[in-house]
Amino acid sequence: DADVTQTPRNRITKTGKRIMLECSQTKGHDRMYWYRQDPGLGLRLIYYSFDVKDINKGEISDGYSVSRQAQAKFSLSLESAIPNQTALYFCATSDTTGTGDYGYTFGSGTRLTVV
Amino acid sequence: EDQVTQSPEALRLQEGESSSLNCSYTVSGLRGLFWYRQDPGKGPEFLFTLYSAGEEKEKERLKATLTKKESFLHITAPKPEDSATYLCAVQAGATNKLIFGTGTLLAVQP
Repeated sequence: DADVTQTPRNRITKTGKRIMLECSQTKGHDRMYWYRQDPGLGLRLIYYSFDVKDINKGEISDGYSVSRQAQAKFSLSLESAIPNQTALYFCATSDTTGTGDYGYTFGSGTRLTVV
Repeated sequence: EDQVTQSPEALRLQEGESSSLNCSYTVSGLRGLFWYRQDPGKGPEFLFTLYSAGEEKEKERLKATLTKKESFLHITAPKPEDSATYLCAVQAGATNKLIFGTGTLLAVQP
């Protein structure tokens, strides 16, 4: 099994619908992150969580919300999806030092299309 | 403002043709510089961490170097399986967040 698992892998949804992307990890890491990736813009941080009670906004949090249900689970919600939220979404984890010698561990991504 | 710039955006090489990818950065208090490899439709995969100017790390055909302003990823005698997008990221300041560049798409032709 993968260290960081994202579900679903692919999703097509309609404008205005609520959608949740889920992430679970077996690394035992405290810190979890949600990024989106768009062509030409790279990876941009949406939200991050240093532990279950510590959730912080990243650079592009508008239109998104998150929930840290447990140390191992971190979900991202789009309350009312819009077409410009079409992107590849990644969940990542890191240890308490932030990155250690191994950087972040990424999931395989969720490709979201909003029509 | 912390910033990471990668060049070139895309690079096409013949198998065996060595080259370098560049990552220049402007950050306050660099804590680490990271290189990742990303294959299409997959998550980034960790390659190297560099912490201080002058540091070098190698892995197979890849070698990463770091100065006070930039990092290079040198690819020696590349093979088609080295084709991927290579991402650079920096960790700076107190928050430990990673700031990513937009990547270099490398294509190695047989």
